[in-house]
Amino acid sequence: SQQGEEDPQALSIQEGENATMNCSYKTSINNLQWYRQNSGRGLVHLILIRSNEREKHSGRLRVTLDTSKKSSSLLITASRAADTASYFCATAPGGTYKYIFGTGTRLKVLA
Amino acid sequence: NAGVMQNPRHLVRRRGQEARLRCSPMKGHSHVYWYRQLPEEGLKFMVYLQKENIIDESGMPKERFSAEFPKEGPSILRIQQVVRGDSAAYFCASSLPDRGRETQYFGPGTRLLVL
Repeated sequence: SQQGEEDPQALSIQEGENATMNCSYKTSINNLQWYRQNSGRGLVHLILIRSNEREKHSGRLRVTLDTSKKSSSLLITASRAADTASYFCATAPGGTYKYIFGTGTRLKVLA
Repeated sequence: NAGVMQNPRHLVRRRGQEARLRCSPMKGHSHVYWYRQLPEEGLKFMVYLQKENIIDESGMPKERFSAEFPKEGPSILRIQQVVRGDSAAYFCASSLPDRGRETQYFGPGTRLLVL
């Protein structure tokens, strides 16, 4: 698998439900970030979690990080149609600036 | 406080022509990064620049591609003699220096289509 690989590749849920997507990576990291990309648009930074943190919240977002398993999860609670987008995790091996993005999870929230 | 700006948003070129993509970083940001995104894929790092310096171009093809970030004006990603495989979305990001490089702010991208 690639550094920063998300799963599932696609997820379709009803409005109000929770959405969980996962990211796995290979090398040691200083931090892991999640971004959102609406169709045909740029990336919006959602949240950064450092390697010494296990969980972080921001509004309806909850991110966990398990460095022993080299994985992270993004939970969006009480989803809305406006959350429909692709979600990417990004890591920079060895604390560099060269962020590596996975192929993303395409989330569709049905109204 | 304007975000990262890129222009043009869409660019159509015929094979063999040159493509010039521009990126103006956020105010106060002196570090610029270029990424390429192919359809249905994640972003791939191309090059990292500071004012008047290329810091890391390890992700950029050796031929036909070049990047600059002059003392004044936007950063430019230049693709000479474009081929169909260059069709992609090109994103620019900017950051503050040092620890600030952790968080890169992305522009809306330039979608290049090579006919």
